[in-house]
Amino acid sequence: GGIITQTPKFLIGQEGQKLTLKCQQNFNHDTMYWYRQDSGKGLRLIYYSITENDLQKGDLSEGYDASREKKSSFSLTVTSAQKNEMAVFLCASRETGVDTQYFGPGTRLLVL
Amino acid sequence: GEKVEQHESTLSVREGDSAVINCTYTDTASSYFPWYKQEAGKSLHFVIDIRSNVDRKQSQRLIVLLDKKAKRFSLHITATQPEDSAIYFCAADMSNYNVLYFGSGTKLTVEP
Repeated sequence: GGIITQTPKFLIGQEGQKLTLKCQQNFNHDTMYWYRQDSGKGLRLIYYSITENDLQKGDLSEGYDASREKKSSFSLTVTSAQKNEMAVFLCASRETGVDTQYFGPGTRLLVL
Repeated sequence: GEKVEQHESTLSVREGDSAVINCTYTDTASSYFPWYKQEAGKSLHFVIDIRSNVDRKQSQRLIVLLDKKAKRFSLHITATQPEDSAIYFCAADMSNYNVLYFGSGTKLTVEP
């Protein structure tokens, strides 16, 4: 078995601030994903990465940057936090050839 | 891109009854349809999936049906128990990299 760790658990930022969220997995999975979950809505894909140093944009990539520094980690940067923004950011990973995505516990973002 | 509509935003059933959650999708190229469960305050947990080469799949009390003609799929939970109470998300994927498009979620409450 493995685990996905997301840090921090809670993130409070100021409007205009650059904020970085981190995700680590020890499944040795190739593909990793960042999703945003807003209250009452489904998840929307921000970025994904199929291998180290690879980046692919999702439908919600505007306003975000991502970095796949090594196979086990995938970072997401909110380039300029929007006032009153509130969402949960979920990281997921998947083994090549297997459909199932495994999700991390999430980072809750609040922008004041 | 793909759009996934989840028709019931809330669903309440009595313990022991069946619950049915319905989803539709727009892209005929979608070939993989997973379901995820999110308990209060927790992350997403995979429950069951179906591929487009079959129209029915069962795992214990969970049944997934797929109607490709109608572009509709559904999750049936039989003999519901209070621990089935959660938000259930359907999703669809048409890519090789498991890029999932999620429905908006159905909050299922199983009343004792």
